[in-house]
Amino acid sequence: GAGVSQSPSNKVTEKGKDVELRCDPISGHTALYWYRQSLGQGLEFLIYFQGNSAPDKSGLPSDRFSAERTGGSVSTLTIQRTQQEDSAVYLCASSLGYHQETQYFGPGTRLLVL
Amino acid sequence: DAKTTQPNSMESNEEEPVHLPCNHSTISGTDYIHWYRQLPSQGPEYVIHGLTSNVNNRMASLAIAEDRKSSTLILHRATLRDAAVYYCILTGGGSNYKLTFGKGTLLTVNP
Repeated sequence: GAGVSQSPSNKVTEKGKDVELRCDPISGHTALYWYRQSLGQGLEFLIYFQGNSAPDKSGLPSDRFSAERTGGSVSTLTIQRTQQEDSAVYLCASSLGYHQETQYFGPGTRLLVL
Repeated sequence: DAKTTQPNSMESNEEEPVHLPCNHSTISGTDYIHWYRQLPSQGPEYVIHGLTSNVNNRMASLAIAEDRKSSTLILHRATLRDAAVYYCILTGGGSNYKLTFGKGTLLTVNP
C-alpha cells in the first residue's frame, strides 16, 4: 500500500523567503510527526499531531516555524523568513495511534537555504 | 530516558547472517524495543519491534533477552541493499513518541 509521501523532495530557497513542506500520511493514521535531520546528525523532533490537534509543539525551534493539519490527513510545515541554519532534511512520519505505535517515515524534503 | 548502546559499525558478507546487538539495561516494563534503519539519503525505515517475545517478520528477526536488558536484530541473509545505519530505540508511554536516534550501527555488506 501507499506509504508516507512528502513534497517537494528537494527545495532550494534564498535566505529570508518562506517555504512550505507537505506531508501525506498513510491513510487511516491518526498521528503525524515532523522531525528534522541535519547532515550527520540524529533526529530532532519538531511537532506531533493527533488528528488535527497538535498537543506537542515543543520541538519547533522558533516562531518562524509553524505547522497545521487538515481533515486529519495532510500536514504542512511552514518556515517563514528562512535562515541558513534551517537547511536540513525534514522528515514526516505517521502512526496508527500514538505512544508505542510504530512510526512510518516518508522520504523527507531536503531543504537548502542559500 | 532509557538509553540504548550499539556498536558503531559492523561488517558482513553477502548471503551471510548478521547479528546486530543492542544493550538497554535501563529498559522499563512498558518500553517496546524498536529497530529502524536508514539507507543513505533516505528516510528511516521501520524494521521490527517487540516487547518480550522474539519476533519474526519478512525483513528480520528480533531476539529479546529474558531480562529484556539486551536484544539482537538478525538479518538471516544479508544483501547489499541491507547496508545502512541500524537504530535500536525504546518507545513507550509519556513523551516517548519523540523518536531519538543515537549513532546506531553502520552495517557494511561486502559482495
